[in-house]
Amino acid sequence: EAEVAQSPRYKITEKSQAVAFWCDPISGHATLYWYRQILGQGPELLVQFQDESVVDDSQLPKDRFSAERLKGVDSTLKIQPAELGDSAMYLCASSSSTPSATFGSGTRLTVV
Amino acid sequence: GDSVTQMEGPVTLSEEAFLTINCTYTATGYPSLFWYVQYPGEGLQLLLKATKADDKGSNKGFEATYRKETTSFHLEKGSVQVSDSAVYFCALRRGNQFYFGTGTSLTVIP
Repeated sequence: EAEVAQSPRYKITEKSQAVAFWCDPISGHATLYWYRQILGQGPELLVQFQDESVVDDSQLPKDRFSAERLKGVDSTLKIQPAELGDSAMYLCASSSSTPSATFGSGTRLTVV
Repeated sequence: GDSVTQMEGPVTLSEEAFLTINCTYTATGYPSLFWYVQYPGEGLQLLLKATKADDKGSNKGFEATYRKETTSFHLEKGSVQVSDSAVYFCALRRGNQFYFGTGTSLTVIP
């Protein structure tokens, strides 16, 4: 069964440092999503790509967060500088024409 | 705007008890509806889906029926097991946008 790959699974970083997460969606899925999930809450959309284009980044804190999907395949989400409040699970998901989205296992970020 | 509201947790049940987790939605048009399940430290896994009114999604003993008249998609299972302990998220999709509820934590005790 096809999966969405994410790395790393866990990341501990110091406040003010830079951190990056990687996502490889299911092959052929044109739509890629990055979500942030704070403990005890539902996922919140950070950015959505259609192929290599950003279609929604209205909730992305652009002063410190950036995301790219250069060739319309894998994607990187970066935070610089990291703040204590960025501690969360970062989830990547992808979808195609089928109704559901498939999620990766996520990256658990802890900022100390 | 579009949104999903699901019942507050946590929910604690004994093994073999009946489960209902309520979910209602607000959306224009005809969204697709989903239940996802999340185990500790993992991502979300699709549990079941329904794409039009009166559709019933089912998987692993769980069921939910798309009720347009009540804008609901309640999750049910007749006999829960300890292995069902997880967080359950109701979600809708309209176009390429997904909207998630806040999640309901379920603990099943032997």
